[in-house]
Amino acid sequence: DQQVKQNSPSLSVQEGRISILNCDYTNSMFDYFLWYKKYPAEGPTFLISISSIKDKNEDGRFTVFLNKSAKHLSLHIVPSQPGDSAVYFCAASAGNFNKFYFGSGTKLNVKP
Amino acid sequence: GAVVSQHPSWVICKSGTSVKIECRSLDFQATTMFWYRQFPKQSLMLMATSNEGSKATYEQGVEKDKFLINHASLTLSTLTVTSAHPEDSSFYICSADPPATTNEKLFFGSGTQLSVL
Repeated sequence: DQQVKQNSPSLSVQEGRISILNCDYTNSMFDYFLWYKKYPAEGPTFLISISSIKDKNEDGRFTVFLNKSAKHLSLHIVPSQPGDSAVYFCAASAGNFNKFYFGSGTKLNVKP
Repeated sequence: GAVVSQHPSWVICKSGTSVKIECRSLDFQATTMFWYRQFPKQSLMLMATSNEGSKATYEQGVEKDKFLINHASLTLSTLTVTSAHPEDSSFYICSADPPATTNEKLFFGSGTQLSVL
């Protein structure tokens, strides 16, 4: 049973516009969430995180929003750049930072 | 920043052979490392938690006798897929607990694509 879901396998956005990547989870015990970015032939790299005590965290062009009641989080990238083209994974943990559950990823393509 | 090195990046082997994958923390000590597996179009699934100097903790449904994990030093964990079969073909990736001085929660290796013929 997949506890973290990314229902959009791919997303295409024009350069300069906003990219919105979505993630849903089922376990109400999850209290810490991460977004990772992965380029081909490389390991995932950390992007941004949010704990359940917040509903928004911002880092430059990247903002993560958390809606606990809906068990939904989203990553906003604005403005999107061609270099942002990658696969984005969301991940969640429940009190134990060592054990994360991952979504299946969304492939973002930012067109010049 | 902290780096995790994983190799080989790609391996092809015959059915029935064993394959060893190495995961090294290059500039920090990692008492805990994690092994994940990802099948096409599916999530990264945690297979096991590797603790230096002790036995690994396996997730439910992962055969510990098939996926041997050794974490003999603070910078090296190995995953050996014993008697590999085509259904073991997958992307395997390791991660390590980073130093407490960083905000990141996990550092990942670059992954190993295993193809069993």
